[in-house]
Amino acid sequence: GAVVSQHPSWVICKSGTSVKIECRSLDFQATTMFWYRQFPKQSLMLMATSNEGSKATYEQGVEKDKFLINHASLTLSTLTVTSAHPEDSSFYICSARRAGGPKDTQYFGPGTRLTVL
Amino acid sequence: EDQVTQSPEALRLQEGESSSLNCSYTVSGLRGLFWYRQDPGKGPEFLFTLYSAGEEKEKERLKATLTKKESFLHITAPKPEDSATYLCAVPNNAGNMLTFGGGTRLMVKP
Repeated sequence: GAVVSQHPSWVICKSGTSVKIECRSLDFQATTMFWYRQFPKQSLMLMATSNEGSKATYEQGVEKDKFLINHASLTLSTLTVTSAHPEDSSFYICSARRAGGPKDTQYFGPGTRLTVL
Repeated sequence: EDQVTQSPEALRLQEGESSSLNCSYTVSGLRGLFWYRQDPGKGPEFLFTLYSAGEEKEKERLKATLTKKESFLHITAPKPEDSATYLCAVPNNAGNMLTFGGGTRLMVKP
């Protein structure tokens, strides 16, 4: 158990458009979901933390108006990159913490590769 | 501030050549330490959680150990399919955020 999916797995868009990425926990309820971005050959950088039904908490330096996070249910969180620009091109990965699961353990999705032209 | 440092950054092994990866950490209070495996272009795959010094966990050719200052991921007789980046991470005091190390990129040649 503890499978997390992301959709799409990759997306290419034009500068100025908005892109929505979905993160789903397939076989468990996620009390908390996290969004990370990862640049080539670097480790994961936490962008924001979201709890179902409440506003996301953004890390310092992450623009909340640019990266909109919605955690509508215990199995779904979405990240919308608004007015995307080439510098937003990156690998976006979500993770989820399972209700009643091993303490603090996060399970990661497969990631979404965003390329902004 | 929590800090996690992994070494070496990269490790090349011949198939069957056992070795260890190191994860040193500095935290105000250890809530646990996590090991993940990440393949190129994919999200991290959960391997182990260790909660207290002296604890050990095993999975196939991998064995993770934990002391009060560091964790080791021992790889016994590795195979080419073990090639990946191995990440360790610690949660903050509230348990709502993971601090990751830089990772060790392991390459196992046949």
